Amino acid sequence: AQSVTQPDIHITVSEGASLELRCNYSYGATPYLFWYVQSPGQGLQLLLKYFSGDTLVQGIKGFEAEFKRSQSSFNLRKPSVHWSDAAEYFCAVVGSGNTGKLIFGQGTTLQVKP
Amino acid sequence: EPEVTQTPSHQVTQMGQEVILRCVPISNHLYFYWYRQILGQKVEFLVSFYNNEISEKSEIFDDQFSVERPDGSNFTLKIRSTKLEDSAMYFCASTGRMDSPLHFGNGTRLTVT
Repeated sequence: AQSVTQPDIHITVSEGASLELRCNYSYGATPYLFWYVQSPGQGLQLLLKYFSGDTLVQGIKGFEAEFKRSQSSFNLRKPSVHWSDAAEYFCAVVGSGNTGKLIFGQGTTLQVKP
Repeated sequence: EPEVTQTPSHQVTQMGQEVILRCVPISNHLYFYWYRQILGQKVEFLVSFYNNEISEKSEIFDDQFSVERPDGSNFTLKIRSTKLEDSAMYFCASTGRMDSPLHFGNGTRLTVT
């Protein structure tokens, strides 16, 4: 069965520092991968997606992610974090079953220190 | 930009009562979903809906749950007899194609007392 693991439950970085959030997936075929962000009290906003092609994908708000098949990873990065990036980040993969459902990781809470 | 709209934003109900959570998906979307997020836990898939029928449901989606698209614009989730453990944030999502990202609403926080 498909699964997504986000090893880091909570990460704290200083404003202006670089960020990398880890995501590992388990999926037999070529995965469709996503990163979503959830600010407190808000819904899930799509940051970026990977379907095929270039393994480095650019998203909104200056985020990027790199798909590495050999490592079954899809890590999210940002070169310089802003205080407004504090939120919860979810990695997700489209599950099997041809219904388009997403399977989410457990999320990583990002705290930004001034 | 079109949005998925969910109402109410917060619903408090007593154990054993029925609740209906409402969603208005993006108008030209064809695939609809409900997810839930228990506080502090991951977002879990409940059910997917396409062509006026359930296309997939998780083991969470037992006989107490049902979904309906009553009028071509609304998409509802009904919990027939709520339990304390149904307390969670419920998210509706939609997409126009299965290989396109899901668009999520802001959620309904359900509190069962």
